[in-house]
Amino acid sequence: DTGVSQDPRHKITKRGQNVTFRCDPISEHNRLYWYRQTLGQGPEFLTYFQNEAQLEKSRLLSDRFSAERPKGSFSTLEIQRTEQGDSAMYLCASTRGSGNTIYFGEGSWLTVV
Amino acid sequence: KQEVTQIPAALSVPEGENLVLNCSFTDSAIYNLQWFRQDPGKGLTSLLLIQSSQREQTSGRLNASLDKSSGRSTLYIAASQPGDSATYLCAVSMEYGNKLVFGAGTILRVKS
Repeated sequence: DTGVSQDPRHKITKRGQNVTFRCDPISEHNRLYWYRQTLGQGPEFLTYFQNEAQLEKSRLLSDRFSAERPKGSFSTLEIQRTEQGDSAMYLCASTRGSGNTIYFGEGSWLTVV
Repeated sequence: KQEVTQIPAALSVPEGENLVLNCSFTDSAIYNLQWFRQDPGKGLTSLLLIQSSQREQTSGRLNASLDKSSGRSTLYIAASQPGDSATYLCAVSMEYGNKLVFGAGTILRVKS
């Protein structure tokens, strides 16, 4: 059990560029979540997967955002045509089933300049 | 829409003091409530998970209580240490294993 891994940890990009974040959950965790956190706030839910199925998407997830979890393993979160308002920490979390402890990764910091 | 509020927003205490962090939520129909710790620039670490049918959970110097009907939870930290300095976040789950709704957190500083 190596924990939830996120890559890259930090990304600085110019406005209008596309970025992709990767999350490797704890093995055998069937649920995977993406959250976004800005300074001084708690994380906000973006989307979650059960195995490879994306079961819910927040209204925060505009059409510039897309997430995938092929084969129910790792997940990617892509942001197209980045805007300064996308600057935040993107957190990935995983859990086995429901009602169990959820494990978060260290987050991926995005700065859009 | 569920809203989670944490009071106080920041707290500074001397080492050794016992302290209480408060969390309130507007919709009592929760599935469970969790307390997390977050160090600066890091991810979240789950501290305690309380199912809706439970009243409290304990882990070491930490004790969390849940009063679902009044929409409140408290996190009690006994004999605080400088290493406890962090942001503490409360989150509720509204449905079976579904998304968490977080409060903004309480920033705790324990002075040595």
